Amino acid sequence: GQQVMQIPQYQHVQEGEDFTTYCNSSTTLSNIQWYKQRPGGHPVFLIQLVKSGEVKKQKRLTFQFGEAKKNSSLHITATQTTDVGTYFCAGQGGGNTPLVFGKGTRLSVIA
Amino acid sequence: GAVVSQHPSWVICKSGTSVKIECRSLDFQATTMFWYRQFPKQSLMLMATSNEGSKATYEQGVEKDKFLINHASLTLSTLTVTSAHPEDSSFYICSANFPGAGTEAFFGQGTRLTVV
Repeated sequence: GQQVMQIPQYQHVQEGEDFTTYCNSSTTLSNIQWYKQRPGGHPVFLIQLVKSGEVKKQKRLTFQFGEAKKNSSLHITATQTTDVGTYFCAGQGGGNTPLVFGKGTRLSVIA
Repeated sequence: GAVVSQHPSWVICKSGTSVKIECRSLDFQATTMFWYRQFPKQSLMLMATSNEGSKATYEQGVEKDKFLINHASLTLSTLTVTSAHPEDSSFYICSANFPGAGTEAFFGQGTRLTVV
């Protein structure tokens, strides 16, 4: 079945440094979504990418969807302590199929 | 935005007892809801897809007789962990898609189950 790999598993950065997490699917996706989960909280939707090669920005966050619609990345510029949490990518194969989540990247930011 | 409410947020139960977790879509109707399980510092593992008015679809390896899912209305799905054991202790979380909003998942707050 569909698998979604995500790296790195952990990332520790100094405040102000950049951060990137990568996601790769074993199959072509209809869309990929990104979620953020704060410690003790539930996942919160960040964005959805649908088009091949799509790039979207949300303030300091930049999301990319690969040309083959099998990989994606999330880049945070100049991290802040409020960015702390686990970032999950989630891929969908098509139709009303469930999302398949990556293992997540836990980001810690040292002030 | 769409809100999904999950109750209870945490529960402690004795081994051998059953626990029911509710997932409600508060301001929209959800024909499909999803149930996930999340171990500490792990990803969300899909357990089953809950379909209103029909049987749930379980993922491979999930015991349907142990994790009973009922989706009796368009706004409520329940997950019952039957004869709970300590290894069932986990964070259970539901999600639903808001109609017309694509496939963005709205998650409930999650339920932390501890079986002692």
